[in-house]
Amino acid sequence: RKEVEQDPGPFNVPEGATVAFNCTYSNSASQSFFWYRQDCRKEPKLLMSVYSSGNEDGRFTAQLNRASQYISLLIRDSKLSDSATYLCVVNIPYGNNRLAFGKGNQVVVIP
Amino acid sequence: DAGVIQSPRHEVTEMGQEVTLRCKPISGHNSLFWYRQTMMRGLELLIYFNNNVPIDDSGMPEDRFSAKMPNASFSTLKIQPSEPRDSAVYFCASTGILPLRNTEAFFGQGTRLTVV
Repeated sequence: RKEVEQDPGPFNVPEGATVAFNCTYSNSASQSFFWYRQDCRKEPKLLMSVYSSGNEDGRFTAQLNRASQYISLLIRDSKLSDSATYLCVVNIPYGNNRLAFGKGNQVVVIP
Repeated sequence: DAGVIQSPRHEVTEMGQEVTLRCKPISGHNSLFWYRQTMMRGLELLIYFNNNVPIDDSGMPEDRFSAKMPNASFSTLKIQPSEPRDSAVYFCASTGILPLRNTEAFFGQGTRLTVV
């Protein structure tokens, strides 16, 4: 099983609509979770950390489900500028502790 | 701070040539990571350093790849000899604290490598 799995999409979303997607992770000992955003031909940048209680940042809501080992990202009132790839990132706490990246969910917001 | 700086931004080389990618992490960060990104495989960790020491190089694909970090402000990733399948975007990232709990990884703009 892959360390982090995401459905690559693309997710075609009408402007103003809500889109949500999940990411599953395989290591039950993982403690840190993040969503990164990557624009076309750019580097990944942190969008938000994901906390156990769930957290919100404007139109973005992230949630963690430890029992089922998945995290989710919801985008409300989608804007054209939200078009990007959203990478799920999980720490792998073996010895040296590193970050594992999913392949990303590609979101295309359509006018 | 200028962020993580990578050079060159683009590199086109012929198969069999040596390629050297460079990275300057954010000042004060003590962990540095090299990633490779392709459409097929996504973002893959190649190697990472903590306090200039290589910690995990299990992601390095084969002996043609080597990485060094001679000091806290500079790292190189070398491919010798290069092959067309090495064509990808190579990212360098740095973080301030290990373990990585709630620590943001800052990425450079990447080097787009094309081996023909």
